[in-house]
This record gives sequence, C-alpha cells and structure tokens, in this order.
Amino acid sequence: QVQLQESGPGLVKPSGTLSLTCDVSGGSISSANWWSWVRQPPGKGLEWIGEVYYSGGTKYNPSLQSRVAISVDKSKNHFSLKLSSVTAADTAMYYCARGIGRPSARVFDIWGQGTMVIVSS
Amino acid sequence: QSVLTQSPSVSGAPGQRVTIACSGSSSNIGADFEVHWYQQHPGTAPKLLIYDNNNRPSGVPDRFSGSKSGTSASLAITGLQAEDEADYYCQSYDNSLSGSRVFGGGTKLTVL
Repeated sequence: QVQLQESGPGLVKPSGTLSLTCDVSGGSISSANWWSWVRQPPGKGLEWIGEVYYSGGTKYNPSLQSRVAISVDKSKNHFSLKLSSVTAADTAMYYCARGIGRPSARVFDIWGQGTMVIVSS
Repeated sequence: QSVLTQSPSVSGAPGQRVTIACSGSSSNIGADFEVHWYQQHPGTAPKLLIYDNNNRPSGVPDRFSGSKSGTSASLAITGLQAEDEADYYCQSYDNSLSGSRVFGGGTKLTVL
C-alpha cells in the first residue's frame, strides 16, 4: 500500500522560499501516476498547487505558477515543492497526494497526513 | 472564492438522508468533466469518497452516492451516522486559464 509523508520546515520567513518534500513508500514514484501538492489555510478549503510526473513533467495552478516549482527525485523516491516569495497568505497545511486518471479526470486517491507551514518573521 | 460553489453547511438527524450540492460552470462540470468527492474529519487529511461522478472506492459504504447533471453535482448520504460529521469537498477539472484542478469551498455536515 502506497503511503505518503510530508516533511520540511514548519516556519518560513516572509519573502523567503517554502520547501517541502513528500516521501513515497510502499511503491515506486515511477509508476504511471501524477504527484500533487494541495494546501489548506487554517479554517479554509482546499487549493491545488500543482503536480509532477515521474519523468519530470509538471503542471501548476495558474494563480501560483510564477512562484511554484515541483520536482521529482526518482533515486530517493520522493517529490518536492518550492514556493517562493511567501507571505502570510501562504500559511497553510500542505498535503502531498497521488493523482490517478487521465488529465481531465485526475483524482487524488492517496494523501499524506499533511504538514503545517507558518509564514512569519 | 472557489471555482466550484458549495453551501457552507448542512445538517441532518441520524438515519436521515442529506445531499450536498456542488455548483460549477461551462468550463468545468458543465464541460462534462468528472466530479470527485472527499471527506475530511477535523485534524485529518482528506479521504477520497466518490470518484468519476458516482463511483465508490473500495471500503466506502454504499450509503454514499454521487450524481451529476448539467453544471452541478451532488453527494447524497443516506442512513446518516454520527461518524459522517465532517467536511465534504467536491473537485473537478477546469479548462479555462490553461487548465487546473479545482475544489469546492467545502460543506460542513453536522449530525444532529
């Protein structure tokens, strides 16, 4: 059974770069799936950040595209998120998730437990 | 402001049937893109509940069902139980602005 686990700093300074990693266990990141990041500000709803394929192909939320980079490291079986120029509005629980299905029907069937990131000086 | 619109809250008594609506537009649900539903209990990660409009993953009780019509979708829960109290989110694909995966704002279900 595939499991996902997020890790990274829980506190990032304003204007800095948020960096998180999602470790994939129980399966290979090179399987025919897409790997996503989703965030949830405190008390609010879910927002899709972007996704990466094991070959390195990516797709991002247009509202975040200028600040986001998602990459994959097949040798470590994990994928990563970098979000630059962060502000307090980027404070959220960050989840990694596995996406399956064709592009217009992608569904998130496995989720990590999430990691809270606070943007504050 | 979420691309998909959900009512903030809904409630029902144990044993009753409730529905949660998800309203979209011609660039997402109305474009015949699939709708998925997630359940999220407080302090936990979302869990896939319904995929491709009306399919349940293994382990999800048949008390949960989904439907789609036009630019809207619905999640129905029958035989309401205390453990169904949670937040529910719809999700689909939007083909405007280079395409994106979009969520509803979420509906809080309270079991009275």
